[in-house]
Amino acid sequence: KQEVTQIPAALSVPEGENLVLNCSFTDSAIYNLQWFRQDPGKGLTSLLLIQSSQREQTSGRLNASLDKSSGRSTLYIAASQPGDSATYLCAVKETSGSRLTFGEGTQLTVNP
Amino acid sequence: EAGVTQFPSHSVIEKGQTVTLRCDPISGHDNLYWYRRVMGKEIKFLLHFVKESKQDESGMPNNRFLAERTGGTYSTLKVQPAELEDSGVYFCASSPMAKAAPLHFGNGTRLTVT
Repeated sequence: KQEVTQIPAALSVPEGENLVLNCSFTDSAIYNLQWFRQDPGKGLTSLLLIQSSQREQTSGRLNASLDKSSGRSTLYIAASQPGDSATYLCAVKETSGSRLTFGEGTQLTVNP
Repeated sequence: EAGVTQFPSHSVIEKGQTVTLRCDPISGHDNLYWYRRVMGKEIKFLLHFVKESKQDESGMPNNRFLAERTGGTYSTLKVQPAELEDSGVYFCASSPMAKAAPLHFGNGTRLTVT
């Protein structure tokens, strides 16, 4: 049974810092991995999607890496801003089936 | 394009009552999913439709939950009768048929059972 863990559970940083959010998964037989952002009371916004054959994806100040063999992914946020404050969720899709398995998320606060 | 739309955004009902949640996926998306997040837990899969057919309903907690997607367009999730532990946020997501495509989520329905 796939399990996804995100560390840390919460993170508070001053504006301008570069930061790394971690995601690990127990079964390396994944099809892809998706990072989401969730603002309070809102749905999930897809940030980056990494296919199992890829090592990383970049979008603006965000960079996500994937090491499938070790069961790890990181989300790097450069030059953090208060608007980046949200909960960040990692989810994996396995090679069999189409369901996503989510981690519990990292609650990020960027202080001005 | 319009995103995934869910109705209602909030629902407060008493234990034993019935509630029906609705999801309108992005037009043309054959895959439709229901997920749920209960307090303090991670988001968990409930079921998956491909068009009007249930592809995987292994995440449905019990037979008090009934999902339908008549005609392969919008979907409903009915909880009857509701119990206290059903409280949480119910998310709907949709995607095109390609397995590599990302899922697009709605804003969720916050269900409170008192």
